[in-house]
This record gives sequence, C-alpha cells and structure tokens, in this order.
Amino acid sequence: SSEVTQPPSVSVSPGQTARITCFGDALPKKYSNWYQQKSGQAPVLVIYEDNKRPSGIPERFSGSSSGTLATLTISGAQVDDEADYFCYSTDISGVGVFGTGTTVTVL
Amino acid sequence: EVQLVESGGGLVQAGGSLRLSCAGSGFYFGSYWITWVRQAPGKGLEWVANIKPDGLETHYVDSLKGRFTVSRDNAKNTVYLQMNNLRVEDTAVYYCARSFKCDYWGQGTRLTVSS
Repeated sequence: SSEVTQPPSVSVSPGQTARITCFGDALPKKYSNWYQQKSGQAPVLVIYEDNKRPSGIPERFSGSSSGTLATLTISGAQVDDEADYFCYSTDISGVGVFGTGTTVTVL
Repeated sequence: EVQLVESGGGLVQAGGSLRLSCAGSGFYFGSYWITWVRQAPGKGLEWVANIKPDGLETHYVDSLKGRFTVSRDNAKNTVYLQMNNLRVEDTAVYYCARSFKCDYWGQGTRLTVSS
C-alpha cells in the first residue's frame, strides 16, 4: 500500500504562516484532503480535493498540490489552530491512506 | 444535520470477535460510501476499510484483510464492521466517516483488546 509522510511538528507564532507538507507516490493520481484533529475530538475536514474549503472553515486554511507533494497552509495562524493535521488520499485501487500526522503549535 | 454515531466498542480478550455499528442520519445514507478509520492510543489515523453505497464493493487495508469485514444495511441506515480474531494491537478508537472524502465523522467508539 502507499505511504504518505508529513513532518512530525510545525511551530509558528500567532499571525504567521504555517505550512504543512505531505509527500506520497499516490498524490499525483488522486486528490488530497486535510483534517484537523484537536485533542480528544474527532477529525474535521478542512480541505478537500486539494484546495477546496468546506463551508464553515476559515479562509486562512488553504491547500495546494503539485506532483507528489501536497501542502496545507494556515495564513495568519491563531492559537485555536493548535491541533494535529493529517493529509489523506486514496491509491489507484480505492484504498485510503492517511499521512503520518503533524502537530501544529502556535506560540 | 449530518450525524454518524458509532457503537459496539468495549473490552474483549485477544482472539475474540466484536461487531461495530455506524448509524447515519440527516442525509440520504444509501447514496454514500462509508469509511472506517481507527486511531490507536497516542497514534495517528489509520484507514481501515470502506464500502460502496450498494454494499457490493469494499476495500480493506492489506494488514486487516481476512479478519475484518464491512457490510451495510441501508434500510437501517447502518454500516457494520465485523472484527474477528482480535489482537492487542487492534486497540483503538474506531471512527466511521461519510463518503470517500470523509467529510463528516462520528465521535468514535473505543475498543480495548486485552491479552
């Protein structure tokens, strides 16, 4: 099955930009989604199909994809954005795969 | 309002079996793929399986093939995850999520497998 890797942690000051990368061989063939998970809670979809934002997700969240690399950008990060973030894609057979996860710290 | 509610978790001994349920409401359940995802304590998300709206197509992560089976009853708006020959390493919170893109998630049900 495919593997998707993310940096374990990203730190950013409030108001600055955080970028989380996601690398995987399956990414050029399928869309990437991104999920935010706060401690003790279920994940929440923040980006789907590489760069679309569900309703209710702040505009400071954006996504992009190029080749085998997908990126989640939080522009003007807020303390409330502290969470774990996971990218997600599917391989060509329809099996899903999550990235290894990135803990974002805003301080 | 879209809702997914998992149930059926608990404590089971290694080698045992358990069936989890995922009940959906607030959307036309029979039109959506449903995905199962698990999260071991302190670990990341692991994709487990999914099932097509008509139940005729399923996919599994390679490591669980043969032990886990996903099925659904659209008349009851419910998807099931049958787990057999459970191992300590299956201990996790099990989530179900709507659709291929996992746009809505339940709150999860916790499974603990003891040795």
